[in-house]
Amino acid sequence: DSGVTQTPKHLITATGQRVTLRCSPRSGDLSVYWYQQSLDQGLQFLIQYYNGEERAKGNILERFSAQQFPDLHSELNLSSLELGDSALYFCASAKASNSPLHFGNGTRLTVT
Amino acid sequence: GDSVTQMEGPVTLSEEAFLTINCTYTATGYPSLFWYVQYPGEGLQLLLKATKADDKGSNKGFEATYRKETTSFHLEKGSVQVSDSAVYFCALIYNFNKFYFGSGTKLNVKP
Repeated sequence: DSGVTQTPKHLITATGQRVTLRCSPRSGDLSVYWYQQSLDQGLQFLIQYYNGEERAKGNILERFSAQQFPDLHSELNLSSLELGDSALYFCASAKASNSPLHFGNGTRLTVT
Repeated sequence: GDSVTQMEGPVTLSEEAFLTINCTYTATGYPSLFWYVQYPGEGLQLLLKATKADDKGSNKGFEATYRKETTSFHLEKGSVQVSDSAVYFCALIYNFNKFYFGSGTKLNVKP
C-alpha cells in the first residue's frame, strides 16, 4: 500500500460529460502529480501541485483542470469528455525535492 | 531536452533466465534515477533508486547501477520468476518538478 488514495476506482460516463477524480496524498507529502496512462502503456505527465500551488504543467488539455486544497488532497476535473479521454489516471505524491513518487492505484475512466 | 529512453518490449523470458532492461537518460543536471514496476491492474510501485553516480539500487533481487559516464541505469535480475511479469518503467527526477518516465517495458516470464 503506497498510502496514496484515489477515488473512484472506475468511472464510466458519456461523451460531453464532466467528471472529477480525487486524490489523497501520503501523510506528510506536500506535492501531488497527475498522470494519464493510455492503452499503449505510456505515462503522460499532466500537472503538479506543491502545497496548494501549481508547480509544473505537462500535456494537460484546456478541458482539464486541477487543484490542490488546503488539506493537500487534489482533484482533477475533466470536462467535455471525448472517447479519446478513456484512460487510467494516476495520482502520485512526493515529500521533497528528488524524492521518489508514490502512486495511487489509479482511476480507470471509460468514455462511451 | 531531458528524457529517458528504455528498450522496447515485450521481453519474453523463461523462468530462471537472466534479465536486462536497458535505460539511458539525457539530463542537464544531476538527476536521481528510479525503476518502477506496474503489475496488472495496479499503480506504479517504486522498485529501486539511486541518487548519485556509481550508486547501486537493489530490491527483490533486482539491481541497477547509476553510470554517469554512459548515462545509463540498466535493470538486471539474475533469475526471473513468473511473478516478475509486469511493466517496468525507468524514471529520473531533478529540481523537484522535473520528473521523466520512460515508455515502459513489458516483461513476460514463462514457466
